[in-house]
Amino acid sequence: DTAVSQTPKYLVTQMGNDKSIKCEQNLGHDTMYWYKQDSKKFLKIMFSYNNKELIINETVPNRFSPKSPDKAHLNLHINSLELGDSAVYFCASSPSPGLAYTGELFFGEGSRLTVL
Amino acid sequence: QQQVKQSPQSLIVQKGGISIINCAYENTAFDYFPWYQQFPGKGPALLIAIRPDVSEKKEGRFTISFNKSAKQFSLHIMDSQPGDSATYFCAASISGGYQKVTFGTGTKLQVIP
Repeated sequence: DTAVSQTPKYLVTQMGNDKSIKCEQNLGHDTMYWYKQDSKKFLKIMFSYNNKELIINETVPNRFSPKSPDKAHLNLHINSLELGDSAVYFCASSPSPGLAYTGELFFGEGSRLTVL
Repeated sequence: QQQVKQSPQSLIVQKGGISIINCAYENTAFDYFPWYQQFPGKGPALLIAIRPDVSEKKEGRFTISFNKSAKQFSLHIMDSQPGDSATYFCAASISGGYQKVTFGTGTKLQVIP
């Protein structure tokens, strides 16, 4: 019973294609995120949703479109893939801010996208 | 603008030695400073965290030292073990709102037997 699960773990595709990554969390958290980790291991936030509402959108090309059908799911769709999109994409979740909130992020195992 | 600077980029330590990773931040509004550990093929996982009202926090072999006036904090791994070999990220965020965690650039630690 993985806390934050992403599928698929690996994607290999050609430039110009469209691909989606799915994420689900069973922690009961209200907030979910997409992070991109590049080849140098740098972690950069892309999007954040709280209870299905977009709250953070970090200057990400509009080829990337997140969708949150409910608070336990956050999917990422990427159109017209480019070579520079090759990276590991991590989904994460956290509780909403509150008295018990520690600030901890819970990450999935990542989805490695390779664009050829 | 990189708000959290981390060094060194890589570190090789003998088994039993002390590993030290340093971070510096710019935004004085940050009030939560976690360290994440990432093994190959896995996502980052919280290792230890500190808030600026204390200067040190210890959990087992892992210690965070925090210097508020210098805007610096560091991770010390005592008695380093080969199983500690991983990439370590410092991070910083602001409480009271939706978390936007700013990560350092990562340190790849290798502990050799």
